[in-house]
Amino acid sequence: DAKTTQPTSMDCAEGRAANLPCNHSTISGNEYVYWYRQIHSQGPQYIIHGLKNNETNEMASLIITEDRKSSTLILPHATLRDTAVYYCIVRASFQGAQKLVFGQGTRLTINP
Amino acid sequence: DAGVTQSPTHLIKTRGQQVTLRCSPKSGHDTVSWYQQALGQGPQFIFQYYEEEERQRGNFPDRFSGHQFPNYSSELNVNALLLGDSALYLCASSLIAGGEDTQYFGPGTRLTVL
Repeated sequence: DAKTTQPTSMDCAEGRAANLPCNHSTISGNEYVYWYRQIHSQGPQYIIHGLKNNETNEMASLIITEDRKSSTLILPHATLRDTAVYYCIVRASFQGAQKLVFGQGTRLTINP
Repeated sequence: DAGVTQSPTHLIKTRGQQVTLRCSPKSGHDTVSWYQQALGQGPQFIFQYYEEEERQRGNFPDRFSGHQFPNYSSELNVNALLLGDSALYLCASSLIAGGEDTQYFGPGTRLTVL
């Protein structure tokens, strides 16, 4: 079973910041938070991941709470092409590539 | 730099047949994982190959088997196809040796079983 809880769906206006929450209250100390997104019928696209500190890359920012029990993915200026299902996943990252356990994700719709 | 590639893109089979799907990992990667995604669901882990051996396996029957070749490419084989095997099959590659083992996905193979 997935170890994360996400809202089923969210809407955001084009040009605004999209903030996607994720609850992972049972996360272990050696587990990272990963975010992927999947545009209809395509393979999941890696977005970002983090352990404790906030992270930023060209696609998004990841804010992890101090107790690590929840996180927020931020798309700073959402465009119509950001409409997708977003998956928050926790997994260990040691002793090789651990499997990804996907939940239902959040269906984000960007509205013009 | 080529990403993960999969072939074929689409495939139609009938019940009872066998199918082979192929995956070429991202350049420099040494590990391949396979996932099955039924319509409306998140991807489900099938198994993972590293150094030509199956390292991890999800809750899938023995009808699902795989192979990894010396060039790190991989095949997924499914025998005795059932209607319920209709799904998008995803391959993801990663690099264990380097410590940065983020998995990158290919575009998938859409399998339809009639």
